[in-house]
Amino acid sequence: AQSVAQPEDQVNVAEGNPLTVKCTYSVSGNPYLFWYVQYPNRGLQFLLKYITGDNLVKGSYGFEAEFNKSQTSFHLKKPSALVSDSALYFCAVREGTGRRALTFGSGTRLQVQP
Amino acid sequence: NAGVTQTPKFRVLKTGQSMTLLCAQDMNHEYMYWYRQDPGMGLRLIHYSVGEGTTAKGEVPDGYNVSRLKKQNFLLGLESAAPSQTSVYFCASSYPPRVGSSIDSPLHFGNGTRLTVT
Repeated sequence: AQSVAQPEDQVNVAEGNPLTVKCTYSVSGNPYLFWYVQYPNRGLQFLLKYITGDNLVKGSYGFEAEFNKSQTSFHLKKPSALVSDSALYFCAVREGTGRRALTFGSGTRLQVQP
Repeated sequence: NAGVTQTPKFRVLKTGQSMTLLCAQDMNHEYMYWYRQDPGMGLRLIHYSVGEGTTAKGEVPDGYNVSRLKKQNFLLGLESAAPSQTSVYFCASSYPPRVGSSIDSPLHFGNGTRLTVT
């Protein structure tokens, strides 16, 4: 079985401050990890992924995520938040040696205040 | 390219009515998926297809049927709608995941269909 937990329903941060959106996962083998973002009335858009290699993954719009195998985490980060980053963020996982579809977390709403 | 297009965008049904949601993609993707999104529950997989003529059940398939007669289209049917099926439905497509490979195609999503069942 594979699962994802996003422990925070909402994260509030001031513009210009660093942000972190948390994600932990559970899979039986090697994880393939993803972050997606959803803007109002739109579908999800791919941000970044970890498959193998460097634990720090860089993605779109200045976002990055750090894979931590011992803590089974894949937190999304950005050094300096923008108001336009306000959106719903989803972490997703699938087990790397299988062909199963992605399992998504429940989502975290990021609110960046001016 | 249009990407992934879902029709309709909105629909209101009465309990017991039926309807079909259409998803069309122009990226020549092998895999297609139907998810539903509910508050606090994220996205849950309903059904998916790994190629033309094949479908498989996801996490929450009950009350839904699907068909993939053409590679570019993936239809989701509700035979007898229930209030519990009130949700936002998203279609997505991708190239096949490659077992053991470092290459993994991200999902491309449509903009969703908001369905209300009264």
